[in-house]
Amino acid sequence: EVQLVQSGAEVKKPGESLKISCKGSGYSFTSYWIGWVRQMPGKGLEWMGIIYPGDSDTRYSPSFQGQVTISADKSISTAYLQWSSLKASDTAMYYCARRPSIAAPLDVWGKGTTVTVSS
Amino acid sequence: EIVLTQSPGTLSLSPGERATLSCRASQSVSSSYLAWYQQKPGQAPRLLIYGASSRATGIPDRFSGSGSGTDFTLTISRLEPEDFAVYYCQQYGSSPFAFGPGTKVDIK
Repeated sequence: EVQLVQSGAEVKKPGESLKISCKGSGYSFTSYWIGWVRQMPGKGLEWMGIIYPGDSDTRYSPSFQGQVTISADKSISTAYLQWSSLKASDTAMYYCARRPSIAAPLDVWGKGTTVTVSS
Repeated sequence: EIVLTQSPGTLSLSPGERATLSCRASQSVSSSYLAWYQQKPGQAPRLLIYGASSRATGIPDRFSGSGSGTDFTLTISRLEPEDFAVYYCQQYGSSPFAFGPGTKVDIK
């Protein structure tokens, strides 16, 4: 079964750093893109960026460029989303999702990681 | 950067009725790289339609997509109780791969 398993909920303070993960299984992790999507409380879906674990080719939405870092470790089939200094406005649900090719939609989604940033 | 708008914001219908959701792009979506997703409360989104009109694996045939260029439509022929949810369109032909703001289909 194809699965993306995301790391657990996080509660952090403003200014702290954070790295959340998304582990793929049941398919060739290096052959599919992994995208990250933000959903703020009660709001819609926002495209953050995408990575190809095979060669770490990474593309960011202009809205998130410089705000987060997307990476992957293909040896353990895991993609990451990282912040160096969290803000309260980073409070949201973050989903990872698989993209079969550069011309395909997001076909398999993780269950999401809730990030809460509060002093 | 392509911006997507969806209408209506909320659609109030009864089970068995037909739902028609609209997604409009600020510029032409290349090769009809337009997808529709369904999201229920507390769940991750689920892919329904890709390539504007192709159903994803396991999606019932009451869901259909149409359109090209800048205007796209998702139709649910007869609403089942489990179809009441929020629906998002997304273009994936030109980065950034933006989503529309969503249409909520709720029970009348």
